[in-house]
Amino acid sequence: AQSVTQLGSHVSVSEGALVLLRCNYSSSVPPYLFWYVQYPNQGLQLLLKYTTGATLVKGINGFEAEFKKSETSFHLTKPSAHMSDAAEYFCAVSDGNQGGKLIFGQGTELSVKP
Amino acid sequence: GAGVSQSPSNKVTEKGKDVELRCDPISGHTALYWYRQSLGQGLEFLIYFQGNSAPDKSGLPSDRFSAERTGGSVSTLTIQRTQQEDSAVYLCASSLAIQDTEAFFGQGTRLTVV
Repeated sequence: AQSVTQLGSHVSVSEGALVLLRCNYSSSVPPYLFWYVQYPNQGLQLLLKYTTGATLVKGINGFEAEFKKSETSFHLTKPSAHMSDAAEYFCAVSDGNQGGKLIFGQGTELSVKP
Repeated sequence: GAGVSQSPSNKVTEKGKDVELRCDPISGHTALYWYRQSLGQGLEFLIYFQGNSAPDKSGLPSDRFSAERTGGSVSTLTIQRTQQEDSAVYLCASSLAIQDTEAFFGQGTRLTVV
């Protein structure tokens, strides 16, 4: 079975500050890991994904995440927050045979203060 | 089409009525997924299709929920005898194949049962 825990349902940062959204996973098989972003009244957009290979993954809009197997973590970071980053962020896990079937975390709402 | 299209975008129905939600995936995508997003439960996997068959229906919450896909394209999610707890946003996604790791999401159908 697979599961995802996102620490913090709400995170608030100042514009220009570091963004850190935490995600821990549980998986009995090598996981595929994802971060999705959802803007109000819109669907989900893929930010980045880890499948195999390099553990530091770069995505769109300046975000990156690092897969740490020993810590079962896949935290999302961005060096400098922009107002446009305000949205809800979802971490998700899947297995290699059903890559598109995703198990999501509860989501973290990111607020960016001017 | 250019993206995953869902209709209607909003649906208000009376308790006990049946509803049908439609998903038109990206052309050529063989895998199609339904998810439900609600305040209490977050994002939940419901069912996926590979072609016209549904190998995994494990997420359907009750026998009032069913889905079909015809012609390897459009899918319909049907909820019979709707209950207030069915109120949620129903999201559809598609990918090139089930093993593919990037699923593209539609904007969802917001269902309100009154």
